[in-house]
Amino acid sequence: QVQLQESGPRLVKPSQTLSLTCAVSGGSINIGGYYWTWIRQPPGKGLEVIGYIYSSGSTYCTPSLKSRVSMSIDTSKNQFSLKVTSVTAADTAVYYCARAKGDFWGQGILVTVSS
Amino acid sequence: ESVLTQSPGTLSLSPGESATLSCRASESVSITYLAWYQQKPGQAPRLLFHGASSRATGIPDRFSGSGSGTDFTLTISRLEPEDFAVYYCQQFGPSPRITFGGGTKVEIK
Repeated sequence: QVQLQESGPRLVKPSQTLSLTCAVSGGSINIGGYYWTWIRQPPGKGLEVIGYIYSSGSTYCTPSLKSRVSMSIDTSKNQFSLKVTSVTAADTAVYYCARAKGDFWGQGILVTVSS
Repeated sequence: ESVLTQSPGTLSLSPGESATLSCRASESVSITYLAWYQQKPGQAPRLLFHGASSRATGIPDRFSGSGSGTDFTLTISRLEPEDFAVYYCQQFGPSPRITFGGGTKVEIK
């Protein structure tokens, strides 16, 4: 059974960079045709796709976040990562990582942007 | 960019009743790329259906998915207490499209 686990700082100061990693276990991250997704959910609100990355390293990011987001993948460590720069309070959310097709998700990590 | 609109925003029902949730797309969606999720408070979303009507592993058959083109429906017959949750539809293709609807909350009346 594939498992995903998000990790990273839970408190980030405004204007700084949010960095998260998603560790994948129980299966290889290097699966042809699969992508790995970052999704966030502000408190009390709906789900927002941030973007996704293939094992090849090619990425897609939602247009509204594209200027501040970067993603990377490390197949040797079976993990992928997210960076969001110049964060504001609006970036406060539970951040999830998930496998393409949504069959496996991490438990989510609440990241708060506050001074 | 394709937009998914879910209705109603909230559905107030009693256990044993049936629920019908709608997901309307601004552009036609192949059923291959339409999924439904259930989310309970404090939990990650759980995949219910992929391919619009193919039940994910472990999903009871009181849940059914249907639709095509721009109109999709999730039906829950005979609501159980554990079914009260928020439900999301998602389009995840063709690449690079990936988006969620705003969600429908099914609450106990």
